[in-house]
Amino acid sequence: DAGVTQSPTHLIKTRGQQVTLRCSPKSGHDTVSWYQQALGQGPQFIFQYYEEEERQRGNFPDRFSGHQFPNYSSELNVNALLLGDSALYLCASSPRAVLSTLEQYFGPGTRLTVT
Amino acid sequence: AQRVTQPEKLLSVFKGAPVELKCNYSYSGSPELFWYVQYSRQRLQLLLRHISRESIKGFTADLNKGETSFHLKKPFAQEEDSAMYYCALGVRSGGSNYKLTFGKGTLLTVNP
Repeated sequence: DAGVTQSPTHLIKTRGQQVTLRCSPKSGHDTVSWYQQALGQGPQFIFQYYEEEERQRGNFPDRFSGHQFPNYSSELNVNALLLGDSALYLCASSPRAVLSTLEQYFGPGTRLTVT
Repeated sequence: AQRVTQPEKLLSVFKGAPVELKCNYSYSGSPELFWYVQYSRQRLQLLLRHISRESIKGFTADLNKGETSFHLKKPFAQEEDSAMYYCALGVRSGGSNYKLTFGKGTLLTVNP
């Protein structure tokens, strides 16, 4: 099992453009969460998907949207990119049935640079 | 709103010395606390969680609800412990929905 995988590894976009990041959860996991990690900061929760629906959202504008597919993989879309969106975007997966713990498994991240 | 504070951005110790990474949290409900670690060029990974009361790689952490703290400790630091450490607070809302709130992290350097 490769664990959580993300693509692409790096991405450079221009201000105003749109970007789509992809995530495949760890085998056996059905819940996907996305985090933004700016330089020198801890990860910040963007949103969480389960059963193809957004279940919880952090303090991020509507420019950030997502999707989950029937195979549990997920996409993060960011519209009208701003310079401040430059960050490492992390995907984390977890098995929803295991409610006794909130442990999440993280992917390697996608480094987004907005110029 | 929940918050996690890691007061030390950098912490440097010598090999064999005790190490303590501080973490304080703010949350009115029942918290679930974690320590995540990120070694150089590796992904973020779980080190330990308070509900397990386990020791991983010699590290322990005790949840102190009175002081709202979850400090990470190791009696004898090793060079391979050098990494970025993040304290995280797990919060449930609306059934089984949940999220993690992270601190800003502490970079631990263990010198030979």
